Amino acid sequence: DGGITQSPKYLFRKEGQNVTLSCEQNLNHDAMYWYRQDPGQGLRLIYYSQIVNDFQKGDIAEGYSVSREKKESFPLTVTSAQKNPTAFYLCASSIAGRGNTEAFFGQGTRLTVV
Amino acid sequence: DAKTTQPPSMDCAEGRAANLPCNHSTISGNEYVYWYRQIHSQGPQYIIHGLKNNETNEMASLIITEDRKSSTLILPHATLRDTAVYYCIVRVKGRDDKIIFGKGTRLHILP
Repeated sequence: DGGITQSPKYLFRKEGQNVTLSCEQNLNHDAMYWYRQDPGQGLRLIYYSQIVNDFQKGDIAEGYSVSREKKESFPLTVTSAQKNPTAFYLCASSIAGRGNTEAFFGQGTRLTVV
Repeated sequence: DAKTTQPPSMDCAEGRAANLPCNHSTISGNEYVYWYRQIHSQGPQYIIHGLKNNETNEMASLIITEDRKSSTLILPHATLRDTAVYYCIVRVKGRDDKIIFGKGTRLHILP
């Protein structure tokens, strides 16, 4: 089936450790996005990429890093520099630049840092 | 920052039409209006989008004012399964397609 997959669904890490969240899509989409969601809040954009080997910072990029080596994959690393990493992380993909095509979302990864 | 403003919450009786408003007074001519909804702890689900004309699909209708500064999402016969947070966003056609979400409207369907 075509879609966007995030793994794992739940992730626990110790404070001070880097952790990488996976996002894979087989929709042949050029654009991919990472969002963070805190309890009772909306989605905030962390990073986005419109094409392979290129990505842009969103509104809350500090403490995060990404790579886009393959069209299908857009992993997000939550570094130890992120002061409050516990959150729900969502990945999305879309056809790039058209504006009139929907974005598809994964089911999210809930990260808990203890 | 989000370019849309929505009421934080709304109630609707089951079986009635739910009308969710959205203001996007600074929308540009090449920006589309999109609606998504998010049921607790899941990824957002696409509902509908439009540019100028009103749109209808199997889930909902989208009414965009003539000046495009506001829109209304209509769920014609709300059910308990429509309880969710509804997000209205504007999305530009072109290179910098960031997809910025606002805070959304929490819709409560009352039995």
